[in-house]
Amino acid sequence: QKEVEQNSGPLSVPEGAIASLNCTYSDRGSQSFFWYRQYSGKSPELIMFIYSNGDKEDGRFTAQLNKASQYVSLLIRDSQPSDSATYLCAVADSSYKLIFGSGTRLLVRP
Amino acid sequence: NAGVTQTPKFRILKIGQSMTLQCTQDMNHNYMYWYRQDPGMGLKLIYYSVGAGITDKGEVPNGYNVSRSTTEDFPLRLELAAPSQTSVYFCASSLHDRGTEAFFGQGTRLTVV
Repeated sequence: QKEVEQNSGPLSVPEGAIASLNCTYSDRGSQSFFWYRQYSGKSPELIMFIYSNGDKEDGRFTAQLNKASQYVSLLIRDSQPSDSATYLCAVADSSYKLIFGSGTRLLVRP
Repeated sequence: NAGVTQTPKFRILKIGQSMTLQCTQDMNHNYMYWYRQDPGMGLKLIYYSVGAGITDKGEVPNGYNVSRSTTEDFPLRLELAAPSQTSVYFCASSLHDRGTEAFFGQGTRLTVV
């Protein structure tokens, strides 16, 4: 079983819509959860992190964590064409080994 | 502030050759990571280090070696290169603290022919 799982997509949404990206993880000892964005040919860049159950909002982005269900999600409100990228979920265990999912490709249609 | 610096940016190797990918960070981060990313895929952890003198295997360590003699440097060694090692390699570093982001280098695109 893969440690961090994401749907590969592509997830296609119209401009202005809400994009919902999901991630599940297998290690119940996981401590911290990250969402990275990666444009084609570029390095990943951090969008948000979360380590407590519940929601965390930052501008148009909301991260949601449910440790009981081992589930992390990222909501992008008012999606823009510039949000089109691959979104990588990453999970750090208690030793801070940082494991990434395979990424979900998001396409925002103008 | 240079952040995480990887060299080289591009390299073509012949099967059986060896090389070292260099990674240096100037942020005094204790954690450093090496990942590989195959086309259209996510990042796979090769090795990581929690501090100078300490390294540990990640998800895909076979065919690679690392060392961490200083806080700043974390080189990745490929011995006997194989076509399966054709990939983009990313080095990253972070502080040992919950919620602290990992900063990535610009990547090294390696082709083994």
